[in-house]
Amino acid sequence: GAVVSQHPSWVICKSGTSVKIECRSLDFQATTMFWYRQFPKQSLMLMATSNEGSKATYEQGVEKDKFLINHASLTLSTLTVTSAHPEDSSFYICSARDPAGSTDTQYFGPGTRLTVL
Amino acid sequence: AQSVTQLGSHVSVSEGALVLLRCNYSSSVPPYLFWYVQYPNQGLQLLLKYTSAATLVKGINGFEAEFKKSETSFHLTKPSAHMSDAAEYFCAVSDQTSGSRLTFGEGTQLTVNP
Repeated sequence: GAVVSQHPSWVICKSGTSVKIECRSLDFQATTMFWYRQFPKQSLMLMATSNEGSKATYEQGVEKDKFLINHASLTLSTLTVTSAHPEDSSFYICSARDPAGSTDTQYFGPGTRLTVL
Repeated sequence: AQSVTQLGSHVSVSEGALVLLRCNYSSSVPPYLFWYVQYPNQGLQLLLKYTSAATLVKGINGFEAEFKKSETSFHLTKPSAHMSDAAEYFCAVSDQTSGSRLTFGEGTQLTVNP
């Protein structure tokens, strides 16, 4: 099946620093990737849709200048949390859409745990 | 707009018992429906999906779900629970026209007792 990886799996940073999270589709080309955040014991909330070669589409309430998304290739999307603060601590999960599949299906990465001190 | 409601944030069953996790959806267009499972500190794994073909969908690990349009439901079942089934389960809906944009339910934590 389709595999999506994320790096790093966890990161701890100081308040005010920036953190970059990578999302890669390993065995397929993904024109569209999605970024979610998940707070403890809660569901996934879509942050943005990342399309290769174009600007990301952000959900309402998500600051595009704080959460920078770059989808530079068909297998890589990055999320950069700029000037991180403790309230940005969360579990960030990416997914990638496999257009070759028979249906619209997203494959999820294993997630990145961000802790901002 | 689409939405998903999962009835019961926590479900507890005995090993070997029937598992039933409830999901109701709201969609103005024919939906695609999904069930995902999440183990602690991991991403989501697709269990099964409904895409307007057969209404009874069989997935991995012995799970299945039935799409009932009249009830706007897509409940997840498994005849006999295993300890390894303990996890968080999410129901999700896509309207096919939104480029796979998924709307998730709140999740149901399944506990399996020995």
